[in-house]
Amino acid sequence: QKEVEQNSGPLSVPEGAIASLNCTYSDRGSQSFFWYRQYSGKSPELIMFIYSNGDKEDGRFTAQLNKASQYVSLLIRDSQPSDSATYLCAVKDQTGANNLFFGTGTRLTVIP
Amino acid sequence: SAVISQKPSRDICQRGTSLTIQCQVDSQVTMMFWYRQQPGQSLTLIATANQGSEATYESGFVIDKFPISRPNLTFSTLTVSNMSPEDSSIYLCSAYSLPTGYTGELFFGEGSRLTVL
Repeated sequence: QKEVEQNSGPLSVPEGAIASLNCTYSDRGSQSFFWYRQYSGKSPELIMFIYSNGDKEDGRFTAQLNKASQYVSLLIRDSQPSDSATYLCAVKDQTGANNLFFGTGTRLTVIP
Repeated sequence: SAVISQKPSRDICQRGTSLTIQCQVDSQVTMMFWYRQQPGQSLTLIATANQGSEATYESGFVIDKFPISRPNLTFSTLTVSNMSPEDSSIYLCSAYSLPTGYTGELFFGEGSRLTVL
């Protein structure tokens, strides 16, 4: 399986701060990247996807992609306690199967 | 968006037995995927289930251990055979929100939490 690496954390930030989550991937040909949020005991839910180099913003979330460095990140501005969860980076398989390969996830805790 | 229902939601099984997990999608989809999430771990893809063909398994997973059925475009089953405690995990069914599977959001079922004693 393709390798997707994340810092497992835990990452703790105070409420209102910016949380920065990072991810690197091994397949240079990868084109599609996703960030999922998973609350404890729940299934993953998609937060953002990004296909092009640069930044993509959606509300308090910004995804950043650098294909040359094989690096994708997620910034969460004005972090809230409800953002406390595990964040999974995922990369789409380019071989035609279209499945996703997931990183190990970063556990984020936002401290009130 | 796609709604994916799985059952059972959880089960406790004895070593050596088999359990079949069912996955129902509320719309027709081309590809369905089965993932495993072991305690404290991320998601690992077991196999891709396409209607009308045999499932495609990832390295480390074999059909004899994890047989999969895909009888139509809305339903799939995963069987965990001859279970051992190492099979204790959450098994997640997933599918894309669009029928083609090439774009769109990958949705997940709520998962089936399996404990093997």
